[in-house]
Amino acid sequence: SQKIEQNSEALNIQEGKTATLTCNYTNYSPAYLQWYRQDPGRGPVFLLLIRENEKEKRKERLKVTFDTTLKQSLFHITASQPADSATYLCAQGDTGFQKLVFGTGTRLLVSP
Amino acid sequence: EPEVTQTPSHQVTQMGQEVILRCVPISNHLYFYWYRQILGQKVEFLVSFYNNEISEKSEIFDDQFSVERPDGSNFTLKIRSTKLEDSAMYFCASSENANTEAFFGQGTRLTVV
Repeated sequence: SQKIEQNSEALNIQEGKTATLTCNYTNYSPAYLQWYRQDPGRGPVFLLLIRENEKEKRKERLKVTFDTTLKQSLFHITASQPADSATYLCAQGDTGFQKLVFGTGTRLLVSP
Repeated sequence: EPEVTQTPSHQVTQMGQEVILRCVPISNHLYFYWYRQILGQKVEFLVSFYNNEISEKSEIFDDQFSVERPDGSNFTLKIRSTKLEDSAMYFCASSENANTEAFFGQGTRLTVV
């Protein structure tokens, strides 16, 4: 079955640094990955989607990579700010299916 | 900016009662979904809906659950006889096409007592 793993430990970084979050998948090669931000008690907010034939995607301070050899996606936030503190979710999807399979998420804490 | 809206934001119900959670997806989207998140756990897929019928469902989505699009704008999730373990955040989502970005609502917190 599809399995997607994110580091469950919180990531603490200082304001201005680059945050890098990891998403690993096993047992399956997804057609695409989606990254979401989730604040406590709120719904996931879509950030970026990257497909298996794309190596990298960017949006403002965000960058996501997709390495099908390592079975891994990296999510970067450059020039991080305290407002970036949240849980970041990785979700995998596949052509022919509509469901997303989510990871547990990684909590990011950016201190001033 | 268009968004998915859900009502109510919080619902408390007694075990065995029926509940209906409501959602208004983004207007030009064709695919609609329900997900749930038990406190402290992953977001889990329940069901997807396209062209007025269920297109995919998970093993969680048993006979106690049903979905409906009663009119051109609303999308509902009904739980027929709630159990304590149904307590969770329920998220509605929609997407323009099958494998494009999905946009989520703010959720309904369901508490079964």
